[in-house]
Amino acid sequence: ILNVEQSPQSLHVQEGDSTNFTCSFPSSNFYALHWYRWETAKSPEALFVMTLNGDEKKKGRISATLNTKEGYSYLYIKGSQPEDSATYLCALSYNQGGKLIFGQGTELSVKP
Amino acid sequence: EPEVTQTPSHQVTQMGQEVILRCVPISNHLYFYWYRQILGQKVEFLVSFYNNEISEKSEIFDDQFSVERPDGSNFTLKIRSTKLEDSAMYFCASSEVGTGIAEAFFGQGTRLTVV
Repeated sequence: ILNVEQSPQSLHVQEGDSTNFTCSFPSSNFYALHWYRWETAKSPEALFVMTLNGDEKKKGRISATLNTKEGYSYLYIKGSQPEDSATYLCALSYNQGGKLIFGQGTELSVKP
Repeated sequence: EPEVTQTPSHQVTQMGQEVILRCVPISNHLYFYWYRQILGQKVEFLVSFYNNEISEKSEIFDDQFSVERPDGSNFTLKIRSTKLEDSAMYFCASSEVGTGIAEAFFGQGTRLTVV
């Protein structure tokens, strides 16, 4: 059974703090690792899609890295803002058109 | 900006009734998906659809479930005889070239409550 694990389950930080979450997965062949940001009452929104070992992607204050050999990805948020409060989902795809296998998400709360 | 739209946003139905959840994917996308999240659990895959047929389905997607793309724009999920355990948030998603390469675009979901 392919299992994607995220940690921590929830995180409470102060505005301005930098934070990071982990996505762990079986270190085997897969096509892509996805990160999504999911705000309450909205649809999950893609942050990054990564495919290669050593991939690093950045969007504003948010960045992500991928280590396929050891089976993990990190998502970093620099200088957290209240608007960063959301659930961050990691998901893996094992073929081009196939399903995404999701982790349980990390719920981030940023207090002003 | 193109988006995936789902209707209705909420649906309450009695056990044993049929429900149809509707989705309009992004128009030039080729891959379509249904996912669901039962409260407190992971988002789980139900079915993927490509080239007018099911390309993959999960164990959850039994004979009570079906999907259709009747007119080239809408993508529907039908549950023939709902059970209490079908209560969940159902998400439609589409991808231009498949999630092995590109992101999925999700709708806002339909919250289905079976009573």
